[in-house]
Amino acid sequence: KNQVEQSPQSLIILEGKNCTLQCNYTVSPFSNLRWYKQDTGRGPVSLTIMTFSENTKSNGRYTATLDADTKQSSLHITASQLSDSASYICVVSATGGGNKLTFGTGTQLKVEL
Amino acid sequence: EAQVTQNPRYLITVTGKKLTVTCSQNMNHEYMSWYRQDPGLGLRQIYYSMNVEVTDKGDVPEGYKVSRKEKRNFPLILESPSPNQTSLYFCASSLWGPNTGELFFGEGSRLTVL
Repeated sequence: KNQVEQSPQSLIILEGKNCTLQCNYTVSPFSNLRWYKQDTGRGPVSLTIMTFSENTKSNGRYTATLDADTKQSSLHITASQLSDSASYICVVSATGGGNKLTFGTGTQLKVEL
Repeated sequence: EAQVTQNPRYLITVTGKKLTVTCSQNMNHEYMSWYRQDPGLGLRQIYYSMNVEVTDKGDVPEGYKVSRKEKRNFPLILESPSPNQTSLYFCASSLWGPNTGELFFGEGSRLTVL
């Protein structure tokens, strides 16, 4: 069964600090992995999309890494801001499979002063 | 502005009263999909559509219907809502399909069934 597990479930950090969120998956055969940011009460917004051949991808202060061998990904946030407070969702896509995505349950990040 | 628009954003209804949540996209996307999001669970797919008049079940289709008569619209129909359908619903669209491009989400529709 395809699964995506994220850790930690929740995280509180001080503004200006860095943090790293983890995603482990068992989706096979792998097509791509995405990170989404979801503000409370809003729809998810795409941060990065990585295919098998990509190890690192950045979007401003967000940097995602992918290790397809160990089936792990991380999302690193640099110099956090209050506006980074949100849920971060890891989503993995398999080739074929009826165009379905497997969603993680998200990491709830809170950035405090 | 490219967007996916859902209506209503908030709805409280009673068991058995038919309702429709509309979804419209202005990006000429082929692929559209409905998800529900519940606390502690990841987004779960209800139905998806690869093109006009082509729809297929997702992981949790029971109690829902959809139609795709036009490319831009993909309404979600609850014929006889029940309390276990209380949830946050998202419509999403993609140019060809979620495997090949970015998936754009609407702002969500929070449904409460009493």
